Amino acid sequence: QVQLVQSGAEVKKPGSSVKVSCTASGGTFNNYAIAWVRQAPGQGLEWMGGIIPFFETTNYAQKFQGRLTITTDESTSTAYMELSSLRSEDTAMYFCARENQSGFIDYWGQGTVVTVSS
Amino acid sequence: DIQMTQSPSSLSASVGDRVTISCRASQRISSYLNWYQQKPGTAPKLLIYAASSLQSGVPSRFSGSGSETDFTLTISSLQPEDFATYYCQQSYSTPPTFGQGTRLEIK
Repeated sequence: QVQLVQSGAEVKKPGSSVKVSCTASGGTFNNYAIAWVRQAPGQGLEWMGGIIPFFETTNYAQKFQGRLTITTDESTSTAYMELSSLRSEDTAMYFCARENQSGFIDYWGQGTVVTVSS
Repeated sequence: DIQMTQSPSSLSASVGDRVTISCRASQRISSYLNWYQQKPGTAPKLLIYAASSLQSGVPSRFSGSGSETDFTLTISSLQPEDFATYYCQQSYSTPPTFGQGTRLEIK
């Protein structure tokens, strides 16, 4: 059974950066895309970007271009999401997720709460 | 980006009811439409992929239909555990986009 386990909650100051990890187990890490999806309090789901570990190719939503970096460490089957220049509007739950080749998400991490506050 | 619009935004229903949620895409997306269920404080769960394929382990009371721009999620007989928020998502083009959600509440 595939499991995605994320790092713990973060509290950050405006203007700083946050890096969230997502460690996969129980499946083949390299063959699927890992996506990051966020959800602001009381709001809907927003796809931020993704990476295919085998090719190390990334795709970012236009909204996050220049602020978002997604990387992987194949040796530990871990993906990372780093968001810089944080502002209060970035306060949200951040999920990592495995994207099937057809684009649907079949496994999700438990989520990491990121709070941006001065 | 492709816009996904769900209706209704919220819905009150009773256990045993048949419920339908609609999702409309701003352009044609073939059958690249997926449905998720989310309960408070938890990650979404995949219910339906490719418009009408039931994810393994999901009860058969859930079904999906539609193609191109108009899609439907149907719950044939609501159970207490079905009260949640439902999202559609297009995976036809990058970035994948979600509908705004439909909150299903107990009447």
